[in-house]
Amino acid sequence: DAKTTQPNSMESNEEEPVHLPCNHSTISGTDYIHWYRQLPSQGPEYVIHGLTSNVNNRMASLAIAEDRKSSTLILHRATLRDAAVYYCILKTSGSRLTFGEGTQLTVNP
Amino acid sequence: EPEVTQTPSHQVTQMGQEVILRCVPISNHLYFYWYRQILGQKVEFLVSFYNNEISEKSEIFDDQFSVERPDGSNFTLKIRSTKLEDSAMYFCASSGRGLDNEKLFFGSGTQLSVL
Repeated sequence: DAKTTQPNSMESNEEEPVHLPCNHSTISGTDYIHWYRQLPSQGPEYVIHGLTSNVNNRMASLAIAEDRKSSTLILHRATLRDAAVYYCILKTSGSRLTFGEGTQLTVNP
Repeated sequence: EPEVTQTPSHQVTQMGQEVILRCVPISNHLYFYWYRQILGQKVEFLVSFYNNEISEKSEIFDDQFSVERPDGSNFTLKIRSTKLEDSAMYFCASSGRGLDNEKLFFGSGTQLSVL
């Protein structure tokens, strides 16, 4: 599986934007970039995904670099409920998602 | 939004006993998955299931594990003879057609404790 690299942890203040980076320099042309998050004591939750173009949904935005070797998940206004582990995952052909360590996001009140 | 439901939320068993973890995937989904997460570790893929067959499995999914879709709604994971190291949170997930641009819906998990 193609590998992603994320910072172990990040901190943000409530109601401020958060930019969570992910490097995936070995991405192949058909790999989708998926983001999931896991709140404490819960199952992973889908956040957003994209292929080449930037994407927006009600939860977040995904900015994908032109060369696709990196991407950034943007939470526009962090809330305390956004404190979670955020996983950047390359979805290659096949059915599985391979989770890494992710980024632990702490949101300060 | 539709959701994947898992029962029980907690299961305690003795080493060597068989356990069955149950899941009800989203009704029109065709792909089903089991993942597990040992405390403090990564979420690990176990198996995917499509059209009444295993479509992919990891090296963790050995002969002690089996999956079944016994009827039109349930999806089960059986561990034949549990070991201490099987203690983990087990997550069921489903997706529509298993495509790369589809999202997976995860349940809230079954915490399995093997004593």
